[in-house]
Amino acid sequence: GQQVMQIPQYQHVQEGEDFTTYCNSSTTLSNIQWYKQRPGGHPVFLIQLVKSGEVKKQKRLTFQFGEAKKNSSLHITATQTTDVGTYFCAVNNYGQNFVFGPGTRLSVLP
Amino acid sequence: DTEVTQTPKHLVMGMTNKKSLKCEQHMGHRAMYWYKQKAKKPPELMFVYSYEKLSINESVPSRFSPECPNSSLLNLHLHALQPEDSALYLCASSHSPDGPNEQFFGPGTRLTVL
Repeated sequence: GQQVMQIPQYQHVQEGEDFTTYCNSSTTLSNIQWYKQRPGGHPVFLIQLVKSGEVKKQKRLTFQFGEAKKNSSLHITATQTTDVGTYFCAVNNYGQNFVFGPGTRLSVLP
Repeated sequence: DTEVTQTPKHLVMGMTNKKSLKCEQHMGHRAMYWYKQKAKKPPELMFVYSYEKLSINESVPSRFSPECPNSSLLNLHLHALQPEDSALYLCASSHSPDGPNEQFFGPGTRLTVL
């Protein structure tokens, strides 16, 4: 079955530091989505990546899809306290539904 | 209207009770989903409805019974649940079942089974 890993599991950073989370799949993916879930909240869609080697930016967030379409990364530049939450990748293997990775929980110390 | 609403926000029920969770969206989305999320875990897909028909059932126990009365509404009927079914139940919708799309999640129903 579909195996999705995310590293690290937890990350504590000082406000202003950068943060990166990685999502790795055991199989080639058709596309990948990233979601953010604030504590006590629900997942909120951030981005979808489809093409091999694709890089997309949203303000301080940079998303990358690996050349082999088996991995992805989310990088946040100069973290802020509003970045606190759990970041999930959700992978699609040419089907209708997405499988969520275990998530990376980010804490930002002011 | 770009949101998914869920009621109730919280639900406490006994193992012999019957209750229902409700989900509504008015974005014209034709795919709707039920997820279960335990604390500090990712959402786990339970059911997918495509064009109001059940298209995916991820081997969910029969004590959970989904229903899609129309394109805007999604229900989850609960009966004879177990304490381990306590979790956050999330509803989501997406524009089309035909290909991967952004999912819009509701705020969830936090269920406690005593």
